[in-house]
Amino acid sequence: DADVTQTPRNRITKTGKRIMLECSQTKGHDRMYWYRQDPGLGLRLIYYSFDVKDINKGEISDGYSVSRQAQAKFSLSLESAIPNQTALYFCATSDWGLGPTHFGDGTRLSIL
Amino acid sequence: TQLLEQSPQFLSIQEGENLTVYCNSSSVFSSLQWYRQEPGEGPVLLVTVVTGGEVKKLKRLTFQFGDARKDSSLHITAAQPGDTGLYLCAGAKNYGGSQGNLIFGKGTKLSVKP
Repeated sequence: DADVTQTPRNRITKTGKRIMLECSQTKGHDRMYWYRQDPGLGLRLIYYSFDVKDINKGEISDGYSVSRQAQAKFSLSLESAIPNQTALYFCATSDWGLGPTHFGDGTRLSIL
Repeated sequence: TQLLEQSPQFLSIQEGENLTVYCNSSSVFSSLQWYRQEPGEGPVLLVTVVTGGEVKKLKRLTFQFGDARKDSSLHITAAQPGDTGLYLCAGAKNYGGSQGNLIFGKGTKLSVKP
């Protein structure tokens, strides 16, 4: 089994819908991250969490929210999806300080 | 705005050739990480460098962190088709990750043809 599992892997939905992307990890890492990847823009941080009680906004948090349900689970929600949120979304984890060390395989999200 | 610029953006070479890709910034980073990403997968961490002038080797890959900790390079010797992928560099501003945020470059897309 993968160390970092993202579900779903692909999702197509309509503008205005609420969407939740889920991430679970078996690494036992305290730190978890959500990134989005867009062609020509690279990876950008949406939210990160250093432990279950800690949630921090990243570079592009507007329009997104997160929930850290347990050490192993970190979900990302789009409250009312819009087309410019179409992107590849990655969850990642790390044990400590230098940034993400393990990434999931991504969720490809298309918003029509 | 802190930027990490990677060059070249695209590189297509034949198997057996050597290559170097670069990651440059005007900012100082406490550490720098290199990842490789293949289509349909997430980035995989290759190496972390933390000391100015540091050189790390991973089989045929050699990573160097600039003396001033503003730039880094990745050199691949005798490239193989399995080296094909998107190479990303990412810099951390604060040691210990107190802000949790890496600055990612946009990547170098490498294609190694048999």
